[in-house]
Amino acid sequence: QSALTQPASVSGSPGQSITISCAGTSSDVGGFNYVSWYQQDPGKAPKLIIYDVSNRPSGISTRFSGSKSGNSASLTISGLLPEDEADYYCSSYTSSSTYVFGTGTKVNVL
Amino acid sequence: QVQLQESGPGLVKTSQTLSLTCTVSGGSISRGSYYWSWIRQPAGKGLEWIGRVYTSGSTSYNPSLKNRVSISIDTSENQFSLKVNSVTAADTAVYYCARATVIPPAMDYWGQGTLVTVSS
Repeated sequence: QSALTQPASVSGSPGQSITISCAGTSSDVGGFNYVSWYQQDPGKAPKLIIYDVSNRPSGISTRFSGSKSGNSASLTISGLLPEDEADYYCSSYTSSSTYVFGTGTKVNVL
Repeated sequence: QVQLQESGPGLVKTSQTLSLTCTVSGGSISRGSYYWSWIRQPAGKGLEWIGRVYTSGSTSYNPSLKNRVSISIDTSENQFSLKVNSVTAADTAVYYCARATVIPPAMDYWGQGTLVTVSS
């Protein structure tokens, strides 16, 4: 299985909105509404911030939102804050009953 | 609050077997509908899903690692384990264990990670 494709980096100023894309295939992203997103601070374990394409776990800010169209998914961070600077990974369930992660995106807050 | 903790050797010799254990606390590993998963991350690189085990012992693996990986569960010890055979330097990474809900299939609790270095 090939990793899902994400941009290497996305930048934005505080208060702005940014969107991270996650491109897959009909065997993963396009085949299921099971896309999740993870935030990873340096030296820390990833943290689940979105599941089932657009649902937020308890305690996750409403500034994080997710969507999907066809074989691609997106994560939008609105009202960007300095603490949003981190690496972000998408993940999808696959038709082989496995998981696949995205290549990862570094978010820079200018 | 569920907590996961990885343990095992931090250094493994080339061609040998990497063995890690994940101890789960704050809840029984055999209760509920969860997959117990392993993920790894080489330094400066992205996450790679290795595989998972269900309470029943059924497993699923990343096709690229399937021939070298084995994951098992010990409900009496509230632990699950990972073995990677015939390791090379490419297996050097931080290894994470995680709990994944079945529906939705998402990894909601993670261990802190443990660095395993493969060297001759």
